[in-house]
Parts: sequence; structure tokens; C-alpha cells
Amino acid sequence: EVQVVESGGGLVQPGGSLRLSCAASGFVFSTYNMKWVRQAPGKGLEWLSHIDTRSTTIYYADSVRGRFTISRDNGKNFLYLQMNSLRDEDTAVYYCARDSGRGGSMDVWGQGTTVTVSS
Amino acid sequence: QSALTQPASVSGSPGQSITISCTGTSSDVGGYDYVSWYQQHPGKVPKLLIYLVTDRPSGISSRFSASKSGNTASLTISGLQTEDEADYYCASYSSISTILFGGGTKLTVL
Repeated sequence: EVQVVESGGGLVQPGGSLRLSCAASGFVFSTYNMKWVRQAPGKGLEWLSHIDTRSTTIYYADSVRGRFTISRDNGKNFLYLQMNSLRDEDTAVYYCARDSGRGGSMDVWGQGTTVTVSS
Repeated sequence: QSALTQPASVSGSPGQSITISCTGTSSDVGGYDYVSWYQQHPGKVPKLLIYLVTDRPSGISSRFSASKSGNTASLTISGLQTEDEADYYCASYSSISTILFGGGTKLTVL
């Protein structure tokens, strides 16, 4: 079964850090670009970051650039999101998504991991 | 990076057709044929409905169709069913190598 499973979410104080992980299985992870997307409570989807297959092309949304770092380990089939300097507004469900290779569309989504930033 | 503009809500009766619009600019929707649409039921994970403006992944009903004209993309759902009640999001590649989502549209099937 093709799937991605996120982990690493939790409660963190403002200014703190978290590292999210996304375990991929059922497909050749190293051949797919990957993305992170989040959804704040009661809000819409927000694209955060993109990484290509060899980690040579990386993009970020303005809202997280300079604070979040995307990375991947193709040998372990894992995608990561290092989140630093967290703010209240970073509270959201964070999704890992596979890039379908068709215009940036995302065809496989994880169940999400919840990050709560609060003192 | 402004979000694409979608109506907050639309509604329709079973069997009817509805259309959800998604308006961007020439730097995103109008500039690339890289529009996708997602369905999200409450408490569930987003599901890809449409990619490359008009194409459906395997397993997606032909009741879902989409198009684009200028800076506006549209998703049409025909033969509305109660299970179609969900939130719908458009997304587009943009000229600054980012992905923009629309704000989402809540579909109510009356």
C-alpha cells in the first residue's frame, strides 16, 4: 500500500523547536518530489515547502522561510521538517504529501500530525 | 503569496450540478496549466480530484470535471450526491516556485 505517515507533533512553547518526520512506504520514495502542507484549526490548506528527489531544489512559503527546514533521507525513506522559532500561528495539523509529478499536484497524503504552539 | 480566491460556500440539491470558481492572477492560475483540486471531508485527509487543470486521477468519478479560462479555474460537480458534501480546495503553481491554495469552499448538499 502506498502511504506516508507523519510523526513528531506535540505541544511546544513559543520560540521552541520540533522536528516532524514522514515515513514513506509502498513506492520508490527516491523518485518522488515531496511537500509539507499544514492546516490551522478551522482554516484552509497552506503549502509550506517542497523538496526535489535529490534535495537540490527546495522552496518555502514566506510564512516559514528562515524558520523551517525541509530535508529527506532517501536511504531511509523519510521526509523531515525541522521547525524552529515556533509561533502561536504555527499551530496546525501538518501533512506530508507526495508530489504526483503532474503540475505540483499532491496525490498521496498522510493522516497528519498536530503541532500546538502555546505557553 | 496571496491565496487564490474561492467562494466560501456553495450549495445544491441532489442530482443538480454546481460549479466552484478559483480566481488567481497571471502569475499563477493564468500563467500555468498547473491547477489542481482537492476534496476534504470533515476530519479527513485532503484527496486529489483534479490535476493539470482538467485531468482526473484513476478512481475519481467522471461527475467531477474542471476547466480554466484566463485567471479563473472552475470545478464542476454534476449529479450531486450527499457524499459530495465536503470542503473543496483549488491549488496552483505560481511563478515564484510556490504552490498557492484557495481559501476553500464548503459544499452543502441540501
